[in-house]
Amino acid sequence: DTGVSQDPRHKITKRGQNVTFRCDPISEHNRLYWYRQTLGQGPEFLTYFQNEAQLEKSRLLSDRFSAERPKGSFSTLEIQRTEQGDSAMYLCASSPRTAPSEQFFGPGTRLTVL
Amino acid sequence: GEDVEQSLFLSVREGDSSVINCTYTDSSSTYLYWYKQEPGAGLQLLTYIFSNMDMKQDQRLTVLLNKKDKHLSLRIADTQTGDSAIYFCAERPGGYNKLIFGAGTRLAVHP
Repeated sequence: DTGVSQDPRHKITKRGQNVTFRCDPISEHNRLYWYRQTLGQGPEFLTYFQNEAQLEKSRLLSDRFSAERPKGSFSTLEIQRTEQGDSAMYLCASSPRTAPSEQFFGPGTRLTVL
Repeated sequence: GEDVEQSLFLSVREGDSSVINCTYTDSSSTYLYWYKQEPGAGLQLLTYIFSNMDMKQDQRLTVLLNKKDKHLSLRIADTQTGDSAIYFCAERPGGYNKLIFGAGTRLAVHP
């Protein structure tokens, strides 16, 4: 049983560029979440999907951020026109249908915006 | 509002018990969680408690919940060097699927 996987693990980009991250949840987990974690802080919620439907979005998710989960399996998080303040660890988590309260996290994608 | 507070640092001797404390503000919280994060690793779900419970035990871990004071604690018995990590408390507000995390407590275990 593999855990949540995220790709890439590290991304360095220049300010103004677009970046896209991918998350593959644990097999048959129907719920998927994106969080962001900056140094010395706990994760902050960004958005939540149940199957392919995006049901919750944080006000942290500005117009430059968009997330999709087109077939209810993997998800992508895109950041357009990156800013230095976007530098953070982007975490993905998933929950099974049988235990929706349990969120299992992936290793994260570390984004550095120069 | 939604806020979770934790002390930043705890140092214990190997073999002693560790107690990590957390307070939260949202009285509608349905579940409360403890996660562990080791350097360079993702968040590991340690345990969680439903808000209508006041205690949960799982091997060396004991979670105590005082709903009246909105206080959650995690006790680790017989603390080992492998327990050195950052421990995050989190709440799940009622009606939501998101988790609200504290800033984490760094646990250092010394011989």
